[in-house]
Amino acid sequence: DAMVIQNPRYQVTQFGKPVTLSCSQTLNHNVMYWYQQKSSQAPKLLFHYYDKDFNNEADTPDNFQSRRPNTSFCFLDIRSPGLGDAAMYLCATSRDGETQYFGPGTRLLVL
Amino acid sequence: GDSVTQMEGPVTLSEEAFLTINCTYTATGYPSLFWYVQYPGEGLQLLLKATKADDKGSNKGFEATYRKETTSFHLEKGSVQVSDSAVYFCALIQSNFGNEKLTFGTGTRLTIIP
Repeated sequence: DAMVIQNPRYQVTQFGKPVTLSCSQTLNHNVMYWYQQKSSQAPKLLFHYYDKDFNNEADTPDNFQSRRPNTSFCFLDIRSPGLGDAAMYLCATSRDGETQYFGPGTRLLVL
Repeated sequence: GDSVTQMEGPVTLSEEAFLTINCTYTATGYPSLFWYVQYPGEGLQLLLKATKADDKGSNKGFEATYRKETTSFHLEKGSVQVSDSAVYFCALIQSNFGNEKLTFGTGTRLTIIP
């Protein structure tokens, strides 16, 4: 089945230690998104790639970066995680900005 | 800007009860409308969608009709099951020439008791 895959499902890191979350997709969608979701809240868009074009949300902290080496993969890098960055991180994909399909998420714990 | 207003939760129902979760929106133009469901510890799953006025989206016994005159997209199910316990998000996408973004409601937590 075509799908969005996120690894790992759970990630524990230390305060200030860089961490990378990964997302891959077999849907061949040209748009990929990263969201942050904190407890009992709606997901918040961090940034997205439309093909190779990177689009950062105005309020996304500089601590968050992203890479998209090819159509299928996208990475979220958190350069110096703080306690406030503990959250569920969701990857999503779409074709040309239409219906978004989400992965299962990676839950990040910062110690 | 665009916005989505969802029924406040949490909602608790008995098994086999009728479910309605209200959703209204504010948007210019003609957005596409969605319901996503999130089970505990999981990502969002697309439940149903409608892309134009009077369209009805349906899936797994859930239904919602795109009502332009009342700017609403209420979610309904005739007989809920314990397995329907989850958080439900109403959302819209406005066409924006490659810069489309999902605008979410706040989410409604649904608990079904046996």
